[in-house]
Amino acid sequence: GDSVTQMEGPVTLSEEAFLTINCTYTATGYPSLFWYVQYPGEGLQLLLKATKADDKGSNKGFEATYRKETTSFHLEKGSVQVSDSAVYFCAPEGGGTSYGKLTFGQGTILTVHP
Amino acid sequence: DSGVTQTPKHLITATGQRVTLRCSPRSGDLSVYWYQQSLDQGLQFLIQYYNGEERAKGNILERFSAQQFPDLHSELNLSSLELGDSALYFCASSVQAGGPYEQYFGPGTRLTVT
Repeated sequence: GDSVTQMEGPVTLSEEAFLTINCTYTATGYPSLFWYVQYPGEGLQLLLKATKADDKGSNKGFEATYRKETTSFHLEKGSVQVSDSAVYFCAPEGGGTSYGKLTFGQGTILTVHP
Repeated sequence: DSGVTQTPKHLITATGQRVTLRCSPRSGDLSVYWYQQSLDQGLQFLIQYYNGEERAKGNILERFSAQQFPDLHSELNLSSLELGDSALYFCASSVQAGGPYEQYFGPGTRLTVT
């Protein structure tokens, strides 16, 4: 079945530091790939997505590139802010019989200090 | 605010009981998804409906059932509750079923089984 391996957390950074959260996946066919973010006490929000190989998703300074050859979708941000503190989830959307189903990684807790 | 509403926000009940969680999707969205988030299992897909029909099933227990009504709202029924069913239950909706379509998440229902 589909699976996701996300970088172990928690990750603690100082403001303006560079962020990378690794994500690799296994999925049927050619899934769409998503990063969702969960702020404390809230539901999940879409951060960015990519729907085909070599696509780059970007939003709020975050970026991730769909790498089909390495089945990876690593999240990056050049300069993090305190307000980026949250839990980040990588999620491929399964094709085939798993169409529509998001498989979430375990989540990476990010804490950014001033 | 994602436009997805879930009621109730919190629910405390005893083992062996039955509860119903309700979800109203965003206006115009035809697909509804249910997810369970717990500390030990992480975020797991339970079930998906599209325009009233079951579309995909995940790790949903037989004690759990769901349906989507003609007005597109959905209910998740949990019966014979066990301590291990304590979790945050999220509903999400999207305009179509799966693929590149973003899923919009509700704020969740926190279920505590005592």
